[in-house]
Amino acid sequence: GENVEQHPSTLSVQEGDSAVIKCTYSDSASNYFPWYKQELGKRPQLIIDIRSNVGEKKDQRIAVTLNKTAKHFSLHITETQPEDSAVYFCAASIGGSQGNLIFGKGTKLSVKP
Amino acid sequence: KAGVTQTPRYLIKTRGQQVTLSCSPISGHRSVSWYQQTPGQGLQFLFEYFSETQRNKGNFPGRFSGRQFSNSRSEMNVSTLELGDSALYLCASSPQRQDYGYTFGSGTRLTVV
Repeated sequence: GENVEQHPSTLSVQEGDSAVIKCTYSDSASNYFPWYKQELGKRPQLIIDIRSNVGEKKDQRIAVTLNKTAKHFSLHITETQPEDSAVYFCAASIGGSQGNLIFGKGTKLSVKP
Repeated sequence: KAGVTQTPRYLIKTRGQQVTLSCSPISGHRSVSWYQQTPGQGLQFLFEYFSETQRNKGNFPGRFSGRQFSNSRSEMNVSTLELGDSALYLCASSPQRQDYGYTFGSGTRLTVV
Protein backbone atom coordinates (compact mmCIF):
# COMPACT_ATOMS: atom_id res chain seq x y z
CA GLY A 1 0.00 0.00 0.00
CA GLU A 2 0.88 3.65 -0.07
CA ASN A 3 3.35 4.92 2.50
CA VAL A 4 5.37 7.96 3.48
CA GLU A 5 8.85 7.63 4.90
CA GLN A 6 10.28 10.48 6.96
CA HIS A 7 13.91 11.09 7.96
CA PRO A 8 15.53 11.69 10.31
CA SER A 9 13.47 10.56 13.29
CA THR A 10 15.37 12.93 15.57
CA LEU A 11 17.32 16.07 14.74
CA SER A 12 19.31 18.33 17.03
CA VAL A 13 20.64 21.70 15.88
CA GLN A 14 22.13 24.79 17.43
CA GLU A 15 20.04 27.93 17.54
CA GLY A 16 20.53 29.88 14.34
CA ASP A 17 21.42 26.84 12.24
CA SER A 18 19.19 25.41 9.51
CA ALA A 19 17.20 22.20 9.78
CA VAL A 20 16.07 19.95 6.95
CA ILE A 21 13.54 17.11 7.19
CA LYS A 22 12.96 14.83 4.21
CA CYS A 23 10.03 12.66 3.18
CA THR A 24 9.53 10.22 0.35
CA TYR A 25 6.19 8.90 -0.85
CA SER A 26 5.15 5.93 -2.92
CA ASP A 27 1.96 7.01 -4.71
CA SER A 28 2.80 8.80 -7.95
CA ALA A 29 -0.73 10.26 -7.98
CA SER A 30 -0.16 12.16 -4.71
CA ASN A 31 -0.71 15.87 -5.28
CA TYR A 32 -0.91 17.50 -1.84
CA PHE A 33 1.90 17.60 0.74
CA PRO A 34 1.32 19.30 4.09
CA TRP A 35 3.62 19.66 7.06
CA TYR A 36 2.35 19.69 10.64
CA LYS A 37 4.11 20.86 13.79
CA GLN A 38 3.20 19.34 17.12
CA GLU A 39 4.58 21.00 20.23
CA LEU A 40 4.72 18.99 23.43
CA GLY A 41 1.23 18.39 24.76
CA LYS A 42 -0.45 20.24 21.93
CA ARG A 43 -2.32 19.39 18.77
CA PRO A 44 -0.64 19.05 15.37
CA GLN A 45 -0.92 22.31 13.47
CA LEU A 46 -0.49 22.91 9.76
CA ILE A 47 2.56 25.09 9.17
CA ILE A 48 2.96 24.91 5.41
CA ASP A 49 1.71 22.88 2.48
CA ILE A 50 2.43 22.49 -1.20
CA ARG A 51 0.48 21.18 -4.14
CA SER A 52 2.03 19.40 -7.06
CA ASN A 53 1.74 22.30 -9.47
CA VAL A 54 4.55 24.14 -7.68
CA GLY A 55 8.10 23.10 -6.78
CA GLU A 56 8.78 25.33 -3.80
CA LYS A 57 6.87 27.43 -1.32
CA LYS A 58 8.19 29.77 1.38
CA ASP A 59 6.70 31.36 4.45
CA GLN A 60 9.19 33.47 6.38
CA ARG A 61 11.75 31.05 7.86
CA ILE A 62 10.16 27.86 6.58
CA ALA A 63 10.08 26.46 3.08
CA VAL A 64 8.99 23.26 1.42
CA THR A 65 10.43 21.83 -1.79
CA LEU A 66 8.87 19.13 -3.93
CA ASN A 67 10.49 16.83 -6.46
CA LYS A 68 7.69 14.85 -8.11
CA THR A 69 10.04 12.90 -10.35
CA ALA A 70 11.93 11.53 -7.36
CA LYS A 71 8.77 11.45 -5.21
CA HIS A 72 10.24 13.34 -2.32
CA PHE A 73 9.64 16.60 -0.53
CA SER A 74 11.49 18.43 2.20
CA LEU A 75 10.92 20.96 4.95
CA HIS A 76 13.59 23.60 5.46
CA ILE A 77 13.74 25.78 8.55
CA THR A 78 16.32 28.57 8.57
CA GLU A 79 17.64 30.55 11.53
CA THR A 80 16.17 28.05 13.96
CA GLN A 81 14.93 29.23 17.34
CA PRO A 82 14.20 27.30 20.56
CA GLU A 83 10.46 27.65 19.88
CA ASP A 84 10.94 25.59 16.72
CA SER A 85 11.53 22.58 18.96
CA ALA A 86 8.66 20.17 18.28
CA VAL A 87 7.71 17.05 16.37
CA TYR A 88 7.17 17.64 12.67
CA PHE A 89 4.99 15.37 10.52
CA CYS A 90 4.90 15.26 6.77
CA ALA A 91 1.96 13.84 4.84
CA ALA A 92 0.97 13.03 1.28
CA SER A 93 -2.46 12.68 -0.25
CA ILE A 94 -3.52 9.35 -1.70
CA GLY A 95 -4.30 9.57 -5.37
CA GLY A 96 -7.81 8.63 -6.43
CA SER A 97 -9.18 9.07 -2.91
CA GLN A 98 -11.09 11.88 -1.28
CA GLY A 99 -7.79 13.55 -0.62
CA ASN A 100 -6.95 11.16 2.23
CA LEU A 101 -3.61 11.82 3.84
CA ILE A 102 -0.89 9.38 4.85
CA PHE A 103 1.47 10.68 7.53
CA GLY A 104 5.14 10.05 8.11
CA LYS A 105 6.23 8.87 11.56
CA GLY A 106 7.50 12.28 12.59
CA THR A 107 10.80 14.03 13.31
CA LYS A 108 11.60 15.32 16.76
CA LEU A 109 13.52 18.57 16.30
CA SER A 110 15.47 19.99 19.22
CA VAL A 111 16.96 23.46 18.93
CA LYS A 112 19.65 24.11 21.52
CA PRO A 113 20.14 27.69 22.71
CA LYS B 1 -14.51 30.42 14.99
CA ALA B 2 -14.23 27.55 17.43
CA GLY B 3 -11.69 24.84 16.66
CA VAL B 4 -12.05 21.09 16.87
CA THR B 5 -13.11 20.17 20.39
CA GLN B 6 -12.37 16.81 21.97
CA THR B 7 -13.70 15.59 25.28
CA PRO B 8 -12.60 14.50 27.73
CA ARG B 9 -8.97 15.67 27.68
CA TYR B 10 -7.77 12.91 30.00
CA LEU B 11 -9.17 9.53 30.86
CA ILE B 12 -8.01 6.62 33.00
CA LYS B 13 -9.65 3.25 32.49
CA THR B 14 -9.09 -0.30 33.66
CA ARG B 15 -8.30 -3.23 31.38
CA GLY B 16 -11.45 -4.83 30.04
CA GLN B 17 -13.57 -1.70 30.32
CA GLN B 18 -14.88 0.27 27.39
CA VAL B 19 -14.52 3.95 26.63
CA THR B 20 -16.23 6.55 24.44
CA LEU B 21 -14.47 9.64 23.19
CA SER B 22 -16.16 12.65 21.63
CA CYS B 23 -15.17 15.05 18.87
CA SER B 24 -16.98 18.21 17.80
CA PRO B 25 -15.69 19.46 14.44
CA ILE B 26 -15.37 23.02 13.27
CA SER B 27 -18.75 24.41 12.29
CA GLY B 28 -19.51 23.48 8.69
CA HIS B 29 -17.01 20.64 8.57
CA ARG B 30 -18.58 17.37 7.53
CA SER B 31 -15.58 15.05 7.55
CA VAL B 32 -14.17 13.77 10.84
CA SER B 33 -11.18 11.45 11.13
CA TRP B 34 -9.66 9.71 14.13
CA TYR B 35 -6.03 8.83 14.85
CA GLN B 36 -4.15 6.97 17.52
CA GLN B 37 -0.82 8.52 18.46
CA THR B 38 1.80 6.61 20.42
CA PRO B 39 5.51 7.42 20.85
CA GLY B 40 7.49 6.23 17.86
CA GLN B 41 4.42 5.20 15.86
CA GLY B 42 3.32 8.56 14.63
CA LEU B 43 -0.29 9.06 13.64
CA GLN B 44 -2.10 5.81 13.05
CA PHE B 45 -5.33 6.31 11.09
CA LEU B 46 -8.40 4.72 12.65
CA PHE B 47 -11.34 5.81 10.49
CA GLU B 48 -13.04 8.69 8.74
CA TYR B 49 -16.70 9.65 8.79
CA PHE B 50 -18.49 11.85 6.29
CA SER B 51 -22.20 12.65 6.41
CA GLU B 52 -22.80 10.00 9.08
CA THR B 53 -21.15 7.26 7.01
CA GLN B 54 -17.78 5.61 7.54
CA ARG B 55 -15.85 6.51 4.44
CA ASN B 56 -12.45 5.01 5.23
CA LYS B 57 -11.01 2.65 7.78
CA GLY B 58 -7.51 1.88 8.98
CA ASN B 59 -6.04 -1.40 10.18
CA PHE B 60 -7.37 -1.61 13.71
CA PRO B 61 -9.28 -4.46 15.33
CA GLY B 62 -13.05 -4.43 15.57
CA ARG B 63 -12.80 -3.30 19.20
CA PHE B 64 -12.38 0.18 17.76
CA SER B 65 -15.56 1.65 16.34
CA GLY B 66 -17.05 5.01 15.68
CA ARG B 67 -20.06 6.90 14.53
CA GLN B 68 -21.07 10.33 13.35
CA PHE B 69 -24.24 12.21 14.13
CA SER B 70 -26.34 14.45 11.90
CA ASN B 71 -24.65 17.54 13.38
CA SER B 72 -21.26 16.07 12.31
CA ARG B 73 -20.14 15.40 15.89
CA SER B 74 -18.39 12.08 16.12
CA GLU B 75 -17.69 9.53 18.80
CA MET B 76 -15.27 6.66 18.89
CA ASN B 77 -15.60 3.66 21.15
CA VAL B 78 -13.02 1.17 22.29
CA SER B 79 -14.31 -1.98 23.92
CA THR B 80 -12.44 -4.50 26.06
CA LEU B 81 -9.56 -2.12 26.69
CA GLU B 82 -6.00 -3.42 26.63
CA LEU B 83 -2.86 -1.85 28.12
CA GLY B 84 -1.63 -1.22 24.58
CA ASP B 85 -4.59 1.05 23.89
CA SER B 86 -2.99 3.72 26.06
CA ALA B 87 -2.38 6.60 23.67
CA LEU B 88 -3.35 10.08 22.60
CA TYR B 89 -6.44 9.92 20.41
CA LEU B 90 -6.72 12.78 17.98
CA CYS B 91 -9.56 13.74 15.76
CA ALA B 92 -9.37 16.04 12.77
CA SER B 93 -12.06 17.68 10.70
CA SER B 94 -12.34 19.24 7.26
CA PRO B 95 -15.14 20.64 5.13
CA GLN B 96 -15.17 17.61 2.85
CA ARG B 97 -11.69 16.30 2.11
CA GLN B 98 -8.49 15.84 4.10
CA ASP B 99 -6.52 17.84 1.58
CA TYR B 100 -8.43 21.08 2.31
CA GLY B 101 -8.71 22.77 5.67
CA TYR B 102 -7.69 19.72 7.70
CA THR B 103 -7.57 20.74 11.39
CA PHE B 104 -6.72 18.67 14.44
CA GLY B 105 -8.21 18.77 17.89
CA SER B 106 -6.08 18.70 21.04
CA GLY B 107 -6.76 15.05 21.67
CA THR B 108 -7.87 12.78 24.49
CA ARG B 109 -5.11 11.17 26.52
CA LEU B 110 -6.28 7.65 27.41
CA THR B 111 -4.43 5.64 30.02
CA VAL B 112 -5.35 2.00 30.56
CA VAL B 113 -4.23 0.48 33.85
